[in-house]
Amino acid sequence: AQSVTQPDIHITVSEGASLELRCNYSYGATPYLFWYVQSPGQGLQLLLKYFSGDTLVQGIKGFEAEFKRSQSSFNLRKPSVHWSDAAEYFCAVGAPSNTGKLIFGQGTTLQVKP
Amino acid sequence: NAGVTQTPKFRVLKTGQSMTLLCAQDMNHEYMYWYRQDPGMGLRLIHYSVGEGTTAKGEVPDGYNVSRLKKQNFLLGLESAAPSQTSVYFCASRGDTGELFFGEGSRLTVL
Repeated sequence: AQSVTQPDIHITVSEGASLELRCNYSYGATPYLFWYVQSPGQGLQLLLKYFSGDTLVQGIKGFEAEFKRSQSSFNLRKPSVHWSDAAEYFCAVGAPSNTGKLIFGQGTTLQVKP
Repeated sequence: NAGVTQTPKFRVLKTGQSMTLLCAQDMNHEYMYWYRQDPGMGLRLIHYSVGEGTTAKGEVPDGYNVSRLKKQNFLLGLESAAPSQTSVYFCASRGDTGELFFGEGSRLTVL
């Protein structure tokens, strides 16, 4: 079955510390991979995406993610977290098909300590 | 450029009442989606559309109906609301590079 797992429901980091949010997926075909961020009361905003090519992708707000096929993972990283990064983060997987459906993980809530 | 707009943003219903959520996009996208978001469950696909006049079931379609009479609009209907349908509903449309553009959500409470 196709699925996305974000093992960490809640993460707390200190401002200025590095961050890694984990994402593992189960998918039959070569997937498209996405990370979205949701601020309280808002919709989801795309941080970055991977379709093919270089397995390290850069996104907005200083985020990056690395696709590791052997581990079925697409972890999100940021070298130095800012207080404004506090939000909920969603990993999603889809296929290059004609439906464009995405399957989302359960989400990871990031809290940033001053 | 408004992007994806959802109305209403908030609604309270009594069990058994009906309502329609409207999603409008101004990006000329073919594909549109309705998701629901519940705590600890991420986003789950209710219904989707790959073009005007087409609809298809997603992961959790029961209790919902949809229509796509115009390319820019995607309507989600609840014929007889149940407390289990209390949720935040998100509409999205798909861009040319595969990413989804989301509305700000519609918070529905069914008493």
